[in-house]
Amino acid sequence: GQSLEQPSEVTAVEGAIVQINCTYQTSGFYGLSWYQQHDGGAPTFLSYNGLDGLEETGRFSSFLSRSDSYGYLLLQELQMKDSASYFCAVSGGYQKVTFGTGTKLQVIP
Amino acid sequence: DAGVIQSPRHEVTEMGQEVTLRCKPISGHDYLFWYRQTMMRGLELLIYFNNNVPIDDSGMPEDRFSAKMPNASFSTLKIQPSEPRDSAVYFCASSFDPGTREQYFGPGTRLTVT
Repeated sequence: GQSLEQPSEVTAVEGAIVQINCTYQTSGFYGLSWYQQHDGGAPTFLSYNGLDGLEETGRFSSFLSRSDSYGYLLLQELQMKDSASYFCAVSGGYQKVTFGTGTKLQVIP
Repeated sequence: DAGVIQSPRHEVTEMGQEVTLRCKPISGHDYLFWYRQTMMRGLELLIYFNNNVPIDDSGMPEDRFSAKMPNASFSTLKIQPSEPRDSAVYFCASSFDPGTREQYFGPGTRLTVT
């Protein structure tokens, strides 16, 4: 089976940096993805880590350590529009993806 | 491309009625997924298809749920009979990239069973 743990809520100030951690237990691990979901919307893909290390995409970066079964999403220069839920997800066999329970990020002025 | 298309966007039905949700994946995508999202259980994978063939339906809650993919451009998720506990947002997603496994989600169908 697969299980993921991430904080349920995080609050951060506009312009600041926030890190959302994710730990996982899984068999047949291929990689770790991150998705963003605004209230009332659908999840949208942010990033994928198949190998250890940091992947950067604009203000967002994602990190993976396979040996520690750990990853994080780093959001820099926070904007109000970044207020959303963020899900980590592990990829297993075929294209199957298992999602975590999500972290609700609130950005305050 | 228009993205993943789902219909209806909202469905309100009475307990015991049959509900059919529809999905049109992005053209060229060979994987299709059905998810259910609730506050209590989060985002759950119900079933997924590869080239129209069901690969894993272990997430389907019970026999009241069934899914089909008769061709590459259409899939249905049927609940018969529906129950109040089936109330949720149902998402369809498609993918094609074996590297990142990026999934493209539809807007979802909000189902309310009274």
